[in-house]
Amino acid sequence: RKEVEQDPGPFNVPEGATVAFNCTYSNSASQSFFWYRQDCRKEPKLLMSVYSSGNEDGRFTAQLNRASQYISLLIRDSKLSDSATYLCVVTSGNTPLVFGKGTRLSVIA
Amino acid sequence: GAVVSQHPSWVICKSGTSVKIECRSLDFQATTMFWYRQFPKQSLMLMATSNEGSKATYEQGVEKDKFLINHASLTLSTLTVTSAHPEDSSFYICSAAPGEATNEKLFFGSGTQLSVL
Repeated sequence: RKEVEQDPGPFNVPEGATVAFNCTYSNSASQSFFWYRQDCRKEPKLLMSVYSSGNEDGRFTAQLNRASQYISLLIRDSKLSDSATYLCVVTSGNTPLVFGKGTRLSVIA
Repeated sequence: GAVVSQHPSWVICKSGTSVKIECRSLDFQATTMFWYRQFPKQSLMLMATSNEGSKATYEQGVEKDKFLINHASLTLSTLTVTSAHPEDSSFYICSAAPGEATNEKLFFGSGTQLSVL
């Protein structure tokens, strides 16, 4: 089983739509969780951390379910500029980040 | 904010040549830098952890004699792909964190797209 698994997509959604991405991780000792955004042939950029209590940043909401080892990202009111690959990232303490393959999102006008 | 500079952005080379990629932390000292490789539609895979003043730690399956890492100063790590072959064509990216920072404060270079003909 892969350490971090994501639905690769692509998710093709119209502007203004709400879209949700899911991610599962295999290492129950994982402690820190993140969503990164990566544009084509660019470096990943931190979108937000994911906390057990759930957290929201504008149109983005991240949730963590430790019991199910499951992370989600919800994007509301999608913009064209949201088109990118979203990477689920997990780490155990100060060990290197483990990246999922990413989920591709295309927001269509 | 902290910046990590990576050069070159693109490299096209002939099979058998060596290619050096530089990763610099511009406004902070980085005891540790990480080197990743990403094939098309795949995840970033950690190749090695570069430690200033000591040998790099390579992940399983990564040939240390092929991918030479040098971290001679607190602001510079280099990755040299020796005798590159077409299968080494990939997107290489480095990352670094200042001091005792957690993984959340990891900063990435802009990546290097290597194409070996």
